[in-house]
Formats: sequence, structure tokens, C-alpha cells
Amino acid sequence: NAGVTQTPKFQVLKTGQSMTLQCAQDMNHEYMSWYRQDPGMGLRLIHYSVGAGITDQGEVPNGYNVSRSTTEDFPLRLLSAAPSQTSVYFCASRGSFLGRNTEAFFGQGTRLTVV
Amino acid sequence: DAKTTQPNSMESNEEEPVHLPCNHSTISGTDYIHWYRQLPSQGPEYVIHGLTSNVNNRMASLAIAEDRKSSTLILHRATLRDAAVYYCILRDVGGSNYKLTFGKGTLLTVNP
Repeated sequence: NAGVTQTPKFQVLKTGQSMTLQCAQDMNHEYMSWYRQDPGMGLRLIHYSVGAGITDQGEVPNGYNVSRSTTEDFPLRLLSAAPSQTSVYFCASRGSFLGRNTEAFFGQGTRLTVV
Repeated sequence: DAKTTQPNSMESNEEEPVHLPCNHSTISGTDYIHWYRQLPSQGPEYVIHGLTSNVNNRMASLAIAEDRKSSTLILHRATLRDAAVYYCILRDVGGSNYKLTFGKGTLLTVNP
């Protein structure tokens, strides 16, 4: 059971470039989300999805797009990378959308540097 | 969102018990208390959760105050592998926003 898989693990981008961070889960979870973590700060929610075809914004959505065409995959797109998007990105999934007490599973993270 | 307050850091010795406190004075009656931890260079991992009663699992115990305004995560015998940032989180299920709100957590250092 692979859990939540993120690729790539490391990425360096130039300002203005675009890229997609991949996230896949094999637990048939309805709920998936993307967080970013900056030094000295906790994780902040970027976007989330409560099922295939349904996405919504978190607290820091600007500069990022998401889509959810399948239950398994939830890619995060940076349309025009900026140095302020240098961060570590975590994808998470959780089962039972209506459940209040299910645990979340996190990927190992993608460390992104924008120069 | 109801907020939590944790000490910035704590220190423990290996094989001794560790009590990590969390204050959540504005907790609502339907908020669950979740604990996650983040080992160095890894994603957060679930530790334990509870609503009103004390809870035990293979990783830790969770003691919840009778008024639910505070809780304590208990690691019965700390190991070096338990060195991590521990997050106390109230599960926000209001409206359509089913997010986990992470604070800065408590950095636990375990001395050999």
C-alpha cells in the first residue's frame, strides 16, 4: 500500500515557468488537499477537493490551480512561478467526506525553489 | 476556527514519559481533538484523536480535561525517533471547509 505519493521530491524553477506537482493516493479517499509549509510556520491550506470534479480554495490559493478528474489524482499547477512560491508542498488525503474523525495521510513533500 | 495554544518547545530524556500540553479554551462541543507529528524532512503523520474520553493507541495516549478546554498528549517512553514537531489540531467541520488548521506546534527534543 503506497499511501500518498508526491512527485517530484525536489524541483528548481525559474521565475515565470509553469509546472505541475503530482499527487496520487491508492486508498480510495474522497478528500484530498494541498498544503504549503514555509520556515517557522505551520502548514497552510492551498486548495482541497471533496471528490472527483469538486475543488475549492483554501487560505492561500493565489497563483495555484487544481483539478480532480479522478479519485486517485489531485495535481497542483503553478501557472507562472514566483519566488514567493518557494516552499515545501504537502499533499494529503482522507477518507469519509462526512466523517469527522478520520485520520489524514500526508505525502513526503515536494521541495520547490523558484529562482 | 477554534484555536489551540502549545508551547514552542519541550525537551525530554530517552525512555522517560513526555506530556505535551495543548490549550483550546474556545473548543466547540462537536470539535474533535487531533494530534499529528512531523518528523524532520517528512510529511505530518497522524498520532491520535479524541472527543471527550481519554484515548490510547500504540503510539500514545490522549488525556482530555473534563471541560475539554485542554488536552495532553502522552508518550509513555520517549525514543530518539519521537523527536518531531507535534501539532494539536481541532477538526474544523463547519460549512464545507473540512480542513486541518496547523499552528506552529511543539518541537520535542529527545536527549539520549
